[in-house]
Amino acid sequence: NAGVTQTPKFQVLKTGQSMTLQCAQDMNHNSMYWYRQDPGMGLRLIYYSASEGTTDKGEVPNGYNVSRLNKREFSLRLESAAPSQTSVYFCASRASVTLHFGNGTRLTVT
Amino acid sequence: KQEVTQIPAALSVPEGENLVLNCSFTDSAIYNLQWFRQDPGKGLTSLLLIQSSQREQTSGRLNASLDKSSGRSTLYIAASQPGDSATYLCAVRPGRGSTLGRLYFGRGTQLTVWP
Repeated sequence: NAGVTQTPKFQVLKTGQSMTLQCAQDMNHNSMYWYRQDPGMGLRLIYYSASEGTTDKGEVPNGYNVSRLNKREFSLRLESAAPSQTSVYFCASRASVTLHFGNGTRLTVT
Repeated sequence: KQEVTQIPAALSVPEGENLVLNCSFTDSAIYNLQWFRQDPGKGLTSLLLIQSSQREQTSGRLNASLDKSSGRSTLYIAASQPGDSATYLCAVRPGRGSTLGRLYFGRGTQLTVWP
């Protein structure tokens, strides 16, 4: 009954540090997505992956990289974190029409 | 680019009221429209999905309508309860272009239902 699992739940980074946000889904979905949610901005798409081995940029990809390691896992990497990347990050997966979201990672960059 | 607007941004009502949340979008060429609920510190949960060919969808006390030509959707909540308190988000999936299922979200309506 896991659905979409994101780790970690919370993270504090200093400017310039790097980290990888992990996402895994157990629903055998092909498509996976990374969104960020900022106050007053709604959710914005960072990257998405239509299937294993493929990734595409979304609306706000700068400063991020992604890896679709296999069908289950889709990771988001910040190579050199900046305060503007302070946000809540959501991973989602989709089979046919409905998106299934994880509970998010709250990231603060100081 | 598709823009999605939700009005009001916040709403506070007493228990038992019927209420309406509004969503508008700029490009009427949509594939579907989806309403989500988000509880504090949690992800989004899908409530209702309306395909572009449909006019409305119902689930329990929730009813969502879609007027594609005017670029509007409403979420109607009947007999509201404190447990309905959450942020409600509207999202549209574009109907043209290679969007691979991505959604465009509104900023949400934060609903508080008090006893």
